[in-house]
Amino acid sequence: QVQLVQSENEVKRPGASVRVSCKASGYIFTGHHMNWVRQAPGQGLEWMGWINPATGDIKYAQRFQGRVTVTRDTSISTVYMELTRLRSDDTAVYFCARGSYSPDYWGQGTLVIVSS
Amino acid sequence: DIQMTQSPSSLSASVGDRVTITCRASQGIRDDLAWYQQKPGKAPQRLIYAASSLHGRRPSRFSGSGSGTEFSLTITRLQPEDSATYYCLQHNSYPLTFGQGTRLEIK
Repeated sequence: QVQLVQSENEVKRPGASVRVSCKASGYIFTGHHMNWVRQAPGQGLEWMGWINPATGDIKYAQRFQGRVTVTRDTSISTVYMELTRLRSDDTAVYFCARGSYSPDYWGQGTLVIVSS
Repeated sequence: DIQMTQSPSSLSASVGDRVTITCRASQGIRDDLAWYQQKPGKAPQRLIYAASSLHGRRPSRFSGSGSGTEFSLTITRLQPEDSATYYCLQHNSYPLTFGQGTRLEIK
């Protein structure tokens, strides 16, 4: 069955960077885009970007351009999302979600807390 | 960016009721719309894709309709486990955008 397993929760200082991983299993890794979506506490869902694991092509939401980098390692079926220059309003749960159109399977989420 | 306006923001209904949630897109998106259910502390789960196709083994009590700019999610024969927040998502153009969510309470 399709599984997306994300890395553990993180606590970071403002200005630092965080890297969240998402390990895929149960399907052909290069056959589907991987999205990143975040959710601030008590708030709605916000799409950040995606990567095509087959080609490495990426697409970011403009508001994250310059701060977010999504990469993949096809040898271990894992996608990474790095967010730099963290601010307190980056505190959120970050989800990876498989899908070249509407995401169909989601990781369990990784809570990133940004606090001094 | 395409704005997705979802209504109502919250509603309360009883077991066995039928409810409808709507999403309006700020411009035409064909049928490039999905609906998700999210329970507290959990990841969203896709219910509907391509505006009206039921995802996998989701209960047939869930149905979607619409095209262009107006969409709806209908839940019939409400069950206690339907208590959740529901989101629409457009994937017609970048950035993908979600509606603000509808919190459904089962009385």
